[in-house]
Amino acid sequence: ETGVTQTPRHLVMGMTNKKSLKCEQHLGHNAMYWYKQSAKKPLELMFVYNFKEQTENNSVPSRFSPECPNSSHLFLHLHTLQPEDSALYLCASSQERRSNEKLFFGSGTQLSVL
Amino acid sequence: GESVGLHLPTLSVQEGDNSIINCAYSNSASDYFIWYKQESGKGPQFIIDIRSNMDKRQGQRVTVLLNKTVKHLSLQIAATQPGDSAVYFCAENIMNRDDKIIFGKGTRLHILP
Repeated sequence: ETGVTQTPRHLVMGMTNKKSLKCEQHLGHNAMYWYKQSAKKPLELMFVYNFKEQTENNSVPSRFSPECPNSSHLFLHLHTLQPEDSALYLCASSQERRSNEKLFFGSGTQLSVL
Repeated sequence: GESVGLHLPTLSVQEGDNSIINCAYSNSASDYFIWYKQESGKGPQFIIDIRSNMDKRQGQRVTVLLNKTVKHLSLQIAATQPGDSAVYFCAENIMNRDDKIIFGKGTRLHILP
């Protein structure tokens, strides 16, 4: 209903697994974002893509690897994660990467790392 | 350092009463503020925003007040309804700069019957 769809909604993985999170937006936006939401912590920006180019990587460990094949799709590839990586991963989009742009969020993927 | 915080992690309000959710920010250079609402099982949803050249802005049943003197932001919800149950986040940014939005931790609003 927000125009941003994330799959899967829930994911349980072991520390040696490789999985990917998918995000698709139907809003015609040019900027896409990955956020991490942990309990009792503010939203943490992970990556930003603007017109398919990565513009920000906020010191995210290399076990998280983003991919943006086009302006409508965003992936987050996961490998050898740690239990502390368990969190809600939110994708968002905006018209462009500007400071006063409204963000449109997906419903997130609830990730549990065992 | 920069921080955006909410005064209370949880707020309980009687249905039909007005709700006031508060937020303090520390960066005097911030000139754009946003409120988001996050319902259970969903991502944050934009509610209302305000620029620093304004003190007040009204939407449908919501009002945001900005006090730049004490760096305080509040969200008022009129005639609170069960559907208002959610976590509310304030966020700050500096317009015309390529800076990331800084989110607060959120206040959970409980509606009492």
